[in-house]
Amino acid sequence: KAGVTQTPRYLIKTRGQQVTLSCSPISGHRSVSWYQQTPGQGLQFLFEYFSETQRNKGNFPGRFSGRQFSNSRSEMNVSTLELGDSALYLCASSSVGGNEKLFFGSGTQLSVL
Amino acid sequence: QKEVEQDPGPLSVPEGAIVSLNCTYSNSAFQYFMWYRQYSRKGPELLMYTYSSGNKEDGRFTAQVDKSSKYISLFIRDSQPSDSATYLCAMSESGNTPLVFGKGTRLSVIA
Repeated sequence: KAGVTQTPRYLIKTRGQQVTLSCSPISGHRSVSWYQQTPGQGLQFLFEYFSETQRNKGNFPGRFSGRQFSNSRSEMNVSTLELGDSALYLCASSSVGGNEKLFFGSGTQLSVL
Repeated sequence: QKEVEQDPGPLSVPEGAIVSLNCTYSNSAFQYFMWYRQYSRKGPELLMYTYSSGNKEDGRFTAQVDKSSKYISLFIRDSQPSDSATYLCAMSESGNTPLVFGKGTRLSVIA
């Protein structure tokens, strides 16, 4: 059974640009969550999508957005990038009502210059 | 005060040692308690999962939850160099709410 796949693996952008990250969940998992991981703040919850609807949202500015498609694949977008957005962005999938058992991808390492 | 506090370490132990990792939390509504292991340049992987208070054992790993003290622990027996990783505690109120993570403890097991 294939795991959670995130693309791209690495990304370098400059301030003011926008970026789109992609996540393919484990087959059969309908919930996709996104986390930002930095050395200073650790893992912080961005948002969760279930059946194409945002179910939970973390405390991040509106520049961070996401969506989920009918096949459960998800994308997150960050507009007007800032230096502080440099981080590892992790996607995780879970079965219905199973957020206590998240399965993570390897992440997208974003560097903003 | 952060919702979940975890000593970041780093922690360095000799092979075969017993390792104790801990987290404290402030939200009494947390019901699910997890430990994740994260190797360098990888995403976290679920190691142990406990619902409410009590102990759970899986091979060399034991997770303990003390809700009265708002304190959780992970014990690793007979530690191996392959256990060298960052260990993250995580908690949630229900299966439909987001996980709240500690910052992680970096562990090195020296052969």
